[in-house]
Amino acid sequence: NAGVTQTPKFQVLKTGQSMTLQCAQDMNHEYMSWYRQDPGMGLRLIHYSVGAGITDQGEVPNGYNVSRSTTEDFPLRLLSAAPSQTSVYFCASSYSGLALTKAGELFFGEGSRLTVL
Amino acid sequence: AQSVAQPEDQVNVAEGNPLTVKCTYSVSGNPYLFWYVQYPNRGLQFLLKYITGDNLVKGSYGFEAEFNKSQTSFHLKKPSALVSDSALYFCAVRDTFKAAGNKLTFGGGTRVLVKP
Repeated sequence: NAGVTQTPKFQVLKTGQSMTLQCAQDMNHEYMSWYRQDPGMGLRLIHYSVGAGITDQGEVPNGYNVSRSTTEDFPLRLLSAAPSQTSVYFCASSYSGLALTKAGELFFGEGSRLTVL
Repeated sequence: AQSVAQPEDQVNVAEGNPLTVKCTYSVSGNPYLFWYVQYPNRGLQFLLKYITGDNLVKGSYGFEAEFNKSQTSFHLKKPSALVSDSALYFCAVRDTFKAAGNKLTFGGGTRVLVKP
């Protein structure tokens, strides 16, 4: 049972380069999201999606793009990497949350550690 | 907008002693509150949640949390801590806007160190 799979696990970029962090889930979850984790700041929401074809911005969306063409995949694109985007990125998925029994129970990937030089 | 605060960056406790990790919240409307745990170099794992009903909720690995509406708190507790409980703990609140799905706002995290 794969759950939430993130690739790559580690990446080093130079300032100005672009890249895509991949996220795939095999649980048929409607909801998917991307967070970044920085020391002392907890997790901050970048973008989220409540279903295929629907995305919305979170707390810190600048410099990132997302798309949701299928239920399974939710890639995060860094358009022009900056040192401030050095972080650990987590993808998380869940059922829609409309049913209270499943509300808020996110399944997280193992993380992608990005360094921008 | 909803928010949670974890006032302690780190909690140290001896193995076998009670463990408490504090969380306070600020929401408009009824709060949906959660605790997650993160072990080193891993993603977060769901521990427990409060949606409605009993103020004391039980979760995984012997953890429980007490919801206190008057104090706007949702503290995580474990009666007898284990060395293996050493990890980073996050409190979270869900957006009350239904169209936002399971959009969670997390606190800054509390590192728990259980010493033998």
